[in-house]
Amino acid sequence: ETGVTQTPRHLVMGMTNKKSLKCEQHLGHNAMYWYKQSAKKPLELMFVYNFKEQTENNSVPSRFSPECPNSSHLFLHLHTLQPEDSALYLCASSQEGPLADTEAFFGQGTRLTVV
Amino acid sequence: GQNIDQPTEMTATEGAIVQINCTYQTSGFNGLFWYQQHAGEAPTFLSYNVLDGLEEKGRFSSFLSRSKGYSYLLLKELQMKDSASYLCAVRDTRVSNYQLIWGAGTKLIIKP
Repeated sequence: ETGVTQTPRHLVMGMTNKKSLKCEQHLGHNAMYWYKQSAKKPLELMFVYNFKEQTENNSVPSRFSPECPNSSHLFLHLHTLQPEDSALYLCASSQEGPLADTEAFFGQGTRLTVV
Repeated sequence: GQNIDQPTEMTATEGAIVQINCTYQTSGFNGLFWYQQHAGEAPTFLSYNVLDGLEEKGRFSSFLSRSKGYSYLLLKELQMKDSASYLCAVRDTRVSNYQLIWGAGTKLIIKP
């Protein structure tokens, strides 16, 4: 079983739909992240959860709503998205702390297309 | 502000050596990461540098100079499977303990 798993791998949704992306990590990490990856752009950090508490929200529009029910699961709820929201959405996890030097582990991503 | 620069695309020949550069400007540097990402797949960790010098790991090596705000990833004995994007990322604790500042990635094309 891979360390970080995301479902679905591909998603096509209309602008009026509501959908959710799911992420699960089996690494015992204490931090989980949502990233957006658009073509030829740097990875954009959207949200960070540490010990289930949201610690970062990088000015993400309210049409993206994260949920972290426990330290192993992370969701991204989507509603009334725009075509420019089409991108690869990556989940990651890491073990964070004062002396953190460990890398983040990424899921395979969800390729989202908004039509 | 924070900024990461790396070339957009590079081409190299199978069996050769290629060096991918990354320059950065941050206020609270606390480590630099290199990741590999094949098309449509997750980024995978390659290397981590926090002190100056060279870290070697098989065919891949990564170098860091903190005074110059510079790193490179060196790939030796290139194989066709090395065709991928290579992402440079810096941890900047003045921004956040959790946020990595990412470059846009360098797409490496390997030709036979």
